[in-house]
Amino acid sequence: AQKVTQAQTEISVVEKEDVTLDCVYETRDTTYYLFWYKQPPSGELVFLIRRNSFDEQNEISGRYSWNFQKSTSSFNFTITASQVVDSAVYFCALTPLPYSGGGADGLTFGKGTHLIIQP
Amino acid sequence: NAGVMQNPRHLVRRRGQEARLRCSPMKGHSHVYWYRQLPEEGLKFMVYLQKENIIDESGMPKERFSAEFPKEGPSILRIQQVVRGDSAAYFCASSPFQLAGGLLSSYNEQFFGPGTRLTVL
Repeated sequence: AQKVTQAQTEISVVEKEDVTLDCVYETRDTTYYLFWYKQPPSGELVFLIRRNSFDEQNEISGRYSWNFQKSTSSFNFTITASQVVDSAVYFCALTPLPYSGGGADGLTFGKGTHLIIQP
Repeated sequence: NAGVMQNPRHLVRRRGQEARLRCSPMKGHSHVYWYRQLPEEGLKFMVYLQKENIIDESGMPKERFSAEFPKEGPSILRIQQVVRGDSAAYFCASSPFQLAGGLLSSYNEQFFGPGTRLTVL
């Protein structure tokens, strides 16, 4: 069984502050992928990043950065110098690598963190 | 190159009616996933289909829900005799044919549609 926990239900910060969204996961699979998605108020899902379990390098993309730590089963997401347009619900998700015998190929999502950036 | 299309975007049904949600995958994609997002919740996997074949329906409610992905046409998620608790956003995702072997290359991206918001009155 897999599980993704996003303990922060809602975070509110003032624009230009840095903010970190936590994601902790549980899986019995040795190979898997982790994801972050953004869901703006319009409702669609926007893919942000995919990281495989073999690669623990941190990644930076503009104001976004991700910290993957296998030892603590965490995949945290940091937004630097937040902007009002970053306001959205952010989901962390997990899936086993296909054909690894890990079960359903569907993504397992956390409950999401509602990020509010105040001007 | 059109993305994953879902229609209708919004659907209103009265209790007891049937709801049909359609998903047209991206061109060349032969795999479809359906997810349900209840209010204030994350997405929950429902079913995974190939054309004319259900691969995994472990997330589907046992009654009233069914899904198909025919050889021609869109994938359909059908909910019979809807109840208020079925009100949710239903997302479809598609991915291309999954290749066997090649550990790091065997993942195929799931591309999500915009969702159908079902409201049951």
